[in-house]
Amino acid sequence: GQNIDQPTEMTATEGAIVQINCTYQTSGFNGLFWYQQHAGEAPTFLSYNVLDGLEEKGRFSSFLSRSKGYSYLLLKELQMKDSASYLCAVSGVAGGSYIPTFGRGTSLIVHP
Amino acid sequence: DTGVSQNPRHKITKRGQNVTFRCDPISEHNRLYWYRQTLGQGPEFLTYFQNEAQLEKSRLLSDRFSAERPKGSFSTLEIQRTEQGDSAMYLCASSLADSEAFFGQGTRLTVV
Repeated sequence: GQNIDQPTEMTATEGAIVQINCTYQTSGFNGLFWYQQHAGEAPTFLSYNVLDGLEEKGRFSSFLSRSKGYSYLLLKELQMKDSASYLCAVSGVAGGSYIPTFGRGTSLIVHP
Repeated sequence: DTGVSQNPRHKITKRGQNVTFRCDPISEHNRLYWYRQTLGQGPEFLTYFQNEAQLEKSRLLSDRFSAERPKGSFSTLEIQRTEQGDSAMYLCASSLADSEAFFGQGTRLTVV
């Protein structure tokens, strides 16, 4: 089975930096995804980490440590539009393939 | 191709009725997933297809749920004898093998 843990809610100030952590336990691991989901909308893809280390993409960066079962999403220069739910998803084995299994998401509130 | 398309966007049905949702994936994607999402939770995996083969269906919520992808293109998710607890957002996503999944806008089901 799989167990994915991330904080339920975080708040931050516009212009600041925030780090959203995700820990996981899984049998069979191929990588870890981060998605952003605004209220009432579909999740949109942010990043995919397969190897250990930091992947940077504009204001967003994602880190993975496979040995520790740990990832984080780093958001810099926060904007009001970054207020959303951030979903950590582990690519684990099901039916002979790797499929994304999601955590419950972290609701990020950015205030002025 | 404009992405993953789901129909209908909203469905209100009476308890006990059957409902069917349709998903048209991104055309070159061979993998198609169905998820269910309730308020405050992350997407919950239901089933997936690799081309027309349904490779994992043990996580369908009950035997009232079934899915098909007859020609390896669009897919349908059917819920028979709906219950109030089935009210949720049903999300479809598609991907090329193990790469990132792209989500449709979802079908919001309300059972009254």
